[in-house]
Amino acid sequence: NAGVTQTPKFQVLKTGQSMTLQCAQDMNHNSMYWYRQDPGMGLRLIYYSASEGTTDKGEVPNGYNVSRLNKREFSLRLESAAPSQTSVYFCASSSGTSYNEQFFGPGTRLTVL
Amino acid sequence: ILNVEQSPQSLHVQEGDSTNFTCSFPSSNFYALHWYRWETAKSPEALFVMTLNGDEKKKGRISATLNTKEGYSYLYIKGSQPEDSATYLCASFGRGAQKLVFGQGTRLTINP
Repeated sequence: NAGVTQTPKFQVLKTGQSMTLQCAQDMNHNSMYWYRQDPGMGLRLIYYSASEGTTDKGEVPNGYNVSRLNKREFSLRLESAAPSQTSVYFCASSSGTSYNEQFFGPGTRLTVL
Repeated sequence: ILNVEQSPQSLHVQEGDSTNFTCSFPSSNFYALHWYRWETAKSPEALFVMTLNGDEKKKGRISATLNTKEGYSYLYIKGSQPEDSATYLCASFGRGAQKLVFGQGTRLTINP
């Protein structure tokens, strides 16, 4: 039981490049989330998927797109990376929404030059 | 968007001392309050999920209380140990929303 897995763990991009961050969970959870963590800013929600087939914007969605490929997988895409997107990205999942704790992946450290 | 505030932002405590810190959240439309522990170079891990006014939860030396009418929760650590050093995050879930809003965290350092 791996929980929540993320790939890659580290990535360096040049401004304007694109990439997709992958996330998968093996807990049969309905809800999945993408957060970014910046110094002094805490965790900020980028996008979430309350259930398979649905996605919604969070607090900071600009510059990102997501795909809930199936119940297990939720990917985050940067179409044209910018230095402001340098951050640590966490994927999380939960079985429901409000009452259920979220389980976090190990994070992806992204640097955009 | 809910505004979740945590205080203090950072805290240094001597090993063996007890400590506590605060999470404030909008009391209207409250649904649930989460506490997470986040060690350096790791991922956040859930400590408690609380929903009822007056709720108290305990896990070992760590406990939490909830006041939904006035919009605050306290996290207590009794007899701090070096392994308690971490950032403690709270997050509120508002009624009608489908997502958590996190506070900025309290960074706790235990001095041996």
